[in-house]
Amino acid sequence: AQSVTQLDSHVSVSEGTPVLLRCNYSSSYSPSLFWYVQHPNKGLQLLLKYTSAATLVKGINGFEAEFKKSETSFHLTKPSAHMSDAAEYFCVVTGGSYIPTFGRGTSLIVHP
Amino acid sequence: EPEVTQTPSHQVTQMGQEVILRCVPISNHLYFYWYRQILGQKVEFLVSFYNNEISEKSEIFDDQFSVERPDGSNFTLKIRSTKLEDSAMYFCASSEVGYTNYGYTFGSGTRLTVV
Repeated sequence: AQSVTQLDSHVSVSEGTPVLLRCNYSSSYSPSLFWYVQHPNKGLQLLLKYTSAATLVKGINGFEAEFKKSETSFHLTKPSAHMSDAAEYFCVVTGGSYIPTFGRGTSLIVHP
Repeated sequence: EPEVTQTPSHQVTQMGQEVILRCVPISNHLYFYWYRQILGQKVEFLVSFYNNEISEKSEIFDDQFSVERPDGSNFTLKIRSTKLEDSAMYFCASSEVGYTNYGYTFGSGTRLTVV
């Protein structure tokens, strides 16, 4: 079985400040973990993925995430938020099943 | 960059009618998926499709739903006798292989509104 919990439904930051979107997972097997972003009226775009290689994963647009097995976490970070980062972010896990399981999503709000 | 294309972007239908949601996966991908997201809720897996047959489906995917790859490029989701609770965003996705360590390419979604 596998599941994923996104701890915040909304995160609000000011432009230029750091971003932290939290994700915890549960998996019976070694998981693969993904972050997707959805901008308004757009599809789901893959930001980055962890597939049992390096635990610190760098993605597009300056985002990165660190896989911490001891904490069963895969938090998404970015040093400095841009207005264009405002979107919905989904943490996704595959493990016991190859079918991805989605978190509920976190809405990132960026203030000028 | 290759895209998964979904049409229409928004469909309104009357309760009890049949709808067909269309998807064009990436041409060299072999695995196809449908997901849905009811407003304010999680993105939920509906069905996966490989080699012209359903490989896995969720409890949501009952006899009201069917999928088809009619012509080698399109991948469709048919919902018969729609209900109000079928109103949701429906996402199509495809992947080159069905392994867990590969990403999936999603379409922009079709918002279905049943009235």
